[in-house]
Amino acid sequence: EPEVTQTPSHQVTQMGQEVILRCVPISNHLYFYWYRQILGQKVEFLVSFYNNEISEKSEIFDDQFSVERPDGSNFTLKIRSTKLEDSAMYFCASPLAGVGNEQFFGPGTRLTVL
Amino acid sequence: AQSVTQLGSHVSVSEGALVLLRCNYSSSVPPYLFWYVQYPNQGLQLLLKYTSAATLVKGINGFEAEFKKSETSFHLTKPSAHMSDAAEYFCAVSFSSNTGKLIFGQGTTLQVKP
Repeated sequence: EPEVTQTPSHQVTQMGQEVILRCVPISNHLYFYWYRQILGQKVEFLVSFYNNEISEKSEIFDDQFSVERPDGSNFTLKIRSTKLEDSAMYFCASPLAGVGNEQFFGPGTRLTVL
Repeated sequence: AQSVTQLGSHVSVSEGALVLLRCNYSSSVPPYLFWYVQYPNQGLQLLLKYTSAATLVKGINGFEAEFKKSETSFHLTKPSAHMSDAAEYFCAVSFSSNTGKLIFGQGTTLQVKP
């Protein structure tokens, strides 16, 4: 079965530091998504990315967040200046082909901001 | 607004008993519906999906769900619970009118008692 991978599995950082979370989506996928899950809460949509640009973002995805696909394979989420409330599990996901198809999720990166 | 509601944040059943996890959605356009399972410290795994074909959908691990448009529901069932079914279950919805992002319910923790 195709697999989405994410690194690191766990990231600990100090408040105010920049972090970059990395994802390697399934190779022939075209849409990419980031979600986050604060401990004990539901999974929330952050941003969708298609054709090398953001197609939709949530209100959570403020100016501190950015995404890019620097080399055609990796898909990154950057948080410029982390806050305590950014502590969460971050999931990368991609569907087989556009809307309506199930999204394959990576194992997630647990971000802890101290 | 489009939303997903899971009734019951915590469901407890005995091993061998029927599992019923409830999900209702709110939408003005036809939805795509999904159930995902999350085992402790792991990512999200697709159980099953509804994408406008058969209203009764069979998934992995013996789970199935029925789409009822009149009730705007997509409840998840399994005839006989197994200890290994203990996990967090998330109902999610996406729509053809948006970028394919998933909107998740709050999740239901399934406990299976011996």
